[in-house]
Amino acid sequence: DAGVIQSPRHEVTEMGQEVTLRCKPISGHNSLFWYRQTMMRGLELLIYFNNNVPIDDSGMPEDRFSAKMPNASFSTLKIQPSEPRDSAVYFCASREGQQLNYGYTFGSGTRLTVV
Amino acid sequence: DQQVKQNSPSLSVQEGRISILNCDYTNSMFDYFLWYKKYPAEGPTFLISISSIKDKNEDGRFTVFLNKSAKHLSLHIVPSQPGDSAVYFCAAGGSARQLTFGSGTQLTVLP
Repeated sequence: DAGVIQSPRHEVTEMGQEVTLRCKPISGHNSLFWYRQTMMRGLELLIYFNNNVPIDDSGMPEDRFSAKMPNASFSTLKIQPSEPRDSAVYFCASREGQQLNYGYTFGSGTRLTVV
Repeated sequence: DQQVKQNSPSLSVQEGRISILNCDYTNSMFDYFLWYKKYPAEGPTFLISISSIKDKNEDGRFTVFLNKSAKHLSLHIVPSQPGDSAVYFCAAGGSARQLTFGSGTQLTVLP
């Protein structure tokens, strides 16, 4: 099992550019989560999908952020336009089932730097 | 408003001693609590969990304690080893079936 795969590992972009982060969850996991890690706020939930359907997107900071899950094996998080305050590490995680005792499996993250 | 708080950003302990990491929560609807460990340049990995119907769960060197009345949980690592040096995140969940994480505590175990 390759685990949760995120790409790219690092992204440096200029303010105003569009950024797309990608995630491939573990096969068979039907819940997918996007988190953002910052020094001040730790791990913040951005959006949560179950069976490819967005369940809770209340953590998405603003309209510049959007996320899609077109199928069970792929999700994207897009920022357009990007701003320096979006610089953070973005994690994708997946989970089998909905019970919390099925712990999340996280990817290695994408470190985004907006200059 | 952070519903899960880890008030100590860092902790240093001597190898062989006990490490105690603390976490407080405000939402009384949380019924499941987890600890994750994160090494640099890696994603967090699940460490140990506890349901609200218990007050203690043990797994090898790791023990999690839950005090529901105080809305407080702690992770004890004994004996601490240099390989335990990492960021530890506390997380809590409830009926929403998603986890709320704290801001993390950097544990450094000194040889």
